Amino acid sequence: SQQGEEDPQALSIQEGENATMNCSYKTSINNLQWYRQNSGRGLVHLILIRSNEREKHSGRLRVTLDTSKKSSSLLITASRAADTASYFCASRGVDDYKLSFGAGTTVTVRA
Amino acid sequence: DAGITQSPRHKVTETGTPVTLRCHQTENHRYMYWYRQDPGHGLRLIHYSYGVKDTDKGEVSDGYSVSRSKTEDFLLTLESATSSQTSVYFCAISEDQNTGELFFGEGSRLTVL
Repeated sequence: SQQGEEDPQALSIQEGENATMNCSYKTSINNLQWYRQNSGRGLVHLILIRSNEREKHSGRLRVTLDTSKKSSSLLITASRAADTASYFCASRGVDDYKLSFGAGTTVTVRA
Repeated sequence: DAGITQSPRHKVTETGTPVTLRCHQTENHRYMYWYRQDPGHGLRLIHYSYGVKDTDKGEVSDGYSVSRSKTEDFLLTLESATSSQTSVYFCAISEDQNTGELFFGEGSRLTVL
């Protein structure tokens, strides 16, 4: 079954604005990861946050994790047209060998 | 970019025919995965491998089989393709099963008529 669910399903913003998307998961996790997928391409890993971390930064990306609410958020600051893509969260359960992906958020950045 | 090659990248076949998709890696990673991606479903795990000749089922394994005779190759076989198996198939590799990130191939688009 699908572990992670993203919200919103789609997001359209102006270049320079921030984009925020959320992910909820169902069971206790070891870590949670975010991936980006450009149209027609494979997924690319963006950032990993462990269950004992609350916030992590990588360039213009900020990820938060709230294990009490079983949720995570990805913030992209000062968005660019090149950020147009689908973004997926993926969670790895405590005793699980696999990553479970959500259905993704499609982000469109308008120039 | 991680050295992962999927073949074929596109295939159209007819219902009932066998299909084999190949994933080849040059990273010497132990773990390999096959996912399918369908609109509204994200990625769903079909099968994975944790070593040569060591494989296990994922959440949507019915109708699929896999083989891994050497570290670098992971084959996904549809014994008798059905229209419900029309999808984009992604291979992924990982060095560490428990904590590590996945590196994905570019995908294989399969259409079953």
